[in-house]
Amino acid sequence: DVKVTQSSRYLVKRTGEKVFLECVQDMDHENMFWYRQDPGLGLRLIYFSYDVKMKEKGDIPEGYSVSREKKERFSLILESASTNQTSMYLCASSSRGEEKLFFGSGTQLSVL
Amino acid sequence: RKEVEQDPGPFNVPEGATVAFNCTYSNSASQSFFWYRQDCRKEPKLLMSVYSSGNEDGRFTAQLNRASQYISLLIRDSKLSDSATYLCVVTYNTDKLIFGTGTRLQVFP
Repeated sequence: DVKVTQSSRYLVKRTGEKVFLECVQDMDHENMFWYRQDPGLGLRLIYFSYDVKMKEKGDIPEGYSVSREKKERFSLILESASTNQTSMYLCASSSRGEEKLFFGSGTQLSVL
Repeated sequence: RKEVEQDPGPFNVPEGATVAFNCTYSNSASQSFFWYRQDCRKEPKLLMSVYSSGNEDGRFTAQLNRASQYISLLIRDSKLSDSATYLCVVTYNTDKLIFGTGTRLQVFP
């Protein structure tokens, strides 16, 4: 079975802190994605990557950056956390040409 | 108008009932369609793909109506364990998916 692992299940940070969310997948998937999920807004795509060192902006990239130095790892960075970035963050991966997404269990981030 | 729209519910149904959800999409160029299931405080998981000819998996039936731009999910003989949020997903190209906000189903004894 595909496993997508997110480093933290719950995270509490202060406004202005730099935050790193890590995601690792073990199925050699080319595609990786970061979403955030908020009540009433559903899942919104922040950034995605089709290959190592490649990244593409999703629908809401402002305030975020990403890093993909290795194929299996896709990191989401909040340069200076703000309260409106309090959310559930979900990482996902898929094979090239395949539409089925495999999700990690999510990180509930609270920014105080 | 949202690209993908769903009735948020909740749909409260008794065990054994049949329930159906619809999902409308705005882009006629949409290529692929899926239903994902998300349990409370868990990640979404693929429930089933939706094919033009419709498809069935046990108690679940998914259908696509391209002319009216909607997909549907029918659940027969509802179980308590079917309680979850059902997310409609639409793609415009192979690797980018658009999620609906989900329809919440609550099955009661």
